[in-house]
Amino acid sequence: EAGVAQSPRYKIIEKRQSVAFWCNPISGHATLYWYQQILGQGPKLLIQFQNNGVVDDSQLPKDRFSAERLKGVDSTLKIQPAKLEDSAVYLCASSPRGGSTDTQYFGPGTRLTVL
Amino acid sequence: RKEVEQDPGPFNVPEGATVAFNCTYSNSASQSFFWYRQDCRKEPKLLMSVYSSGNEDGRFTAQLNRASQYISLLIRDSKLSDSATYLCAVNMGRFPGNTPLVFGKGTRLSVIA
Repeated sequence: EAGVAQSPRYKIIEKRQSVAFWCNPISGHATLYWYQQILGQGPKLLIQFQNNGVVDDSQLPKDRFSAERLKGVDSTLKIQPAKLEDSAVYLCASSPRGGSTDTQYFGPGTRLTVL
Repeated sequence: RKEVEQDPGPFNVPEGATVAFNCTYSNSASQSFFWYRQDCRKEPKLLMSVYSSGNEDGRFTAQLNRASQYISLLIRDSKLSDSATYLCAVNMGRFPGNTPLVFGKGTRLSVIA
């Protein structure tokens, strides 16, 4: 079974530029999550989708971050404009139903460096 | 108090040793608990779910203590390949269908030959 796919794997941009990340979850998984992992920290949830609806975006900095999952499958996360403190690994995860005991499967992440 | 706290380590142990990690959580209503393993520059991978009755998988044992609000991970007969960061994760949904994992900072383990 194919895992969660993410691209690009690495991105280097200058502050105030825009960047977008893409995620393709495991086939059939209804729930998709974006997490941000800053070096030395655990992942922190940015947004949770159930199919194409947003369940929780309370920790998404909405002045600069946006995310969508239009057809309930792939998702994109955008940062515009980027700040130095956005340097982190952006992890996409999916789970079958979004139940509290479901395993969340993580993709390899996109490592963003903002200069 | 932070939502999920772990001792960051590092824990440096010889091969064959037994090592234990603890993780405390703040929300007494939390329902599900997990240990993830993260290798350097890789994504987190589920190691074990933690059940109320405790669970064991080979050399790994996980326990949950709801009264004291902590979970633990015990690794017996450590192998070099166990060297990694171990992340504690707690599902802290605030409403039905809300299932974000809140992670600790992770505990780094180095197993030395």
